[in-house]
Amino acid sequence: GQQVMQIPQYQHVQEGEDFTTYCNSSTTLSNIQWYKQRPGGHPVFLIQLVKSGEVKKQKRLTFQFGEAKKNSSLHITATQTTDVGTYFCAGGGSARQLTFGSGTQLTVLP
Amino acid sequence: DADVTQTPRNRITKTGKRIMLECSQTKGHDRMYWYRQDPGLGLRLIYYSFDVKDINKGEISDGYSVSRQAQAKFSLSLESAIPNQTALYFCATSDLLYEQFFGPGTRLTVL
Repeated sequence: GQQVMQIPQYQHVQEGEDFTTYCNSSTTLSNIQWYKQRPGGHPVFLIQLVKSGEVKKQKRLTFQFGEAKKNSSLHITATQTTDVGTYFCAGGGSARQLTFGSGTQLTVLP
Repeated sequence: DADVTQTPRNRITKTGKRIMLECSQTKGHDRMYWYRQDPGLGLRLIYYSFDVKDINKGEISDGYSVSRQAQAKFSLSLESAIPNQTALYFCATSDLLYEQFFGPGTRLTVL
């Protein structure tokens, strides 16, 4: 079945540093979604990418979908303490559901 | 009021007991999902339902069953709970293949 790998599992950064998490699928994806889960909270949708090579920005967050639609990345510029949480990618494939990556837990040190 | 609610929020039970986790939504979505979250393993799909008559097994359905009582209600049952079912359980809803809306989660401990 479809597998979605996400790295790194953990990342500690100083406030103001940049952060990137990467997602790779074993199969070609129809779309990829990104979610953020704050400590003690539930996953919250951030964005969906559908097109090959697509790049979307939300303020300091930049999301990319690879040309082959098998990989994606989330980049945060100049992290802030409010960015703390776990970031998940989730790939949509031929099946009718999403496959979630294992997540990257981001800690931002003040 | 929250769009997706889960009850109970926390539950401690013993091995062998039957337990039901309930999910209700007011978003009017047809699609509902049950996920399990374990540290380092992300969210794994247990069951999903695209309408009342369409229920499908996910990646880790063994040991679990579900019931879709209505468009707004989707329950997850553990017929005979075991310790390795200790986890955080999330219900989610979606419209077609777009964003999923998650409930607050149920923390289940099986002793």
